[in-house]
Amino acid sequence: DQQVKQNSPSLSVQEGRISILNCDYTNSMFDYFLWYKKYPAEGPTFLISISSIKDKNEDGRFTVFLNKSAKHLSLHIVPSQPGDSAVYFCAASSGTYKYIFGTGTRLKVLA
Amino acid sequence: DAMVIQNPRYQVTQFGKPVTLSCSQTLNHNVMYWYQQKSSQAPKLLFHYYDKDFNNEADTPDNFQSRRPNTSFCFLDIRSPGLGDAAMYLCATSINADRGQNIQYFGAGTRLSVL
Repeated sequence: DQQVKQNSPSLSVQEGRISILNCDYTNSMFDYFLWYKKYPAEGPTFLISISSIKDKNEDGRFTVFLNKSAKHLSLHIVPSQPGDSAVYFCAASSGTYKYIFGTGTRLKVLA
Repeated sequence: DAMVIQNPRYQVTQFGKPVTLSCSQTLNHNVMYWYQQKSSQAPKLLFHYYDKDFNNEADTPDNFQSRRPNTSFCFLDIRSPGLGDAAMYLCATSINADRGQNIQYFGAGTRLSVL
């Protein structure tokens, strides 16, 4: 039973437009969420986080939104750039050192 | 300047032949993790060390063992690799920050093939 789900395996977006990556979770005890970006042949790198006490966190072109009632979070990238093409993972934690990861969404930004 | 280093990047072993994957870190983080990731699947936590305390996940097979001789190094031992153990193995570290709000830093992974 997957507690963190990324239902879109892939997404293509035109350069300059908004990319929206979605993540759903089932465990209401999750209270901290991370997004990671992964390029081929590299490990995942941390992108942005959000605590359950917030509903939005912004860092430059990246914004994460959290809807606790819907158990849904999304990552917005505006404007999208070709260098953003990567696999994006969301991960969730419930007050421990352990994270549950989603299966990832492959983003392709078209020039 | 790599912070979490995994060696080797690619490892080929034979069915049933023990193999060891290594991870080192220059971050001085006290928590180290090992994940298994198969194609198109989520990284799955195998175990983690909090300092010297070993924490095994309930569903991690006994075939998988780990050692952490010091803060900087952590090893993953697969005692008798099966074909189903072919995967990417990711090492990660985190510092003991606010519980549950720690960021994990990953190495580039070791891709294991079992022949």
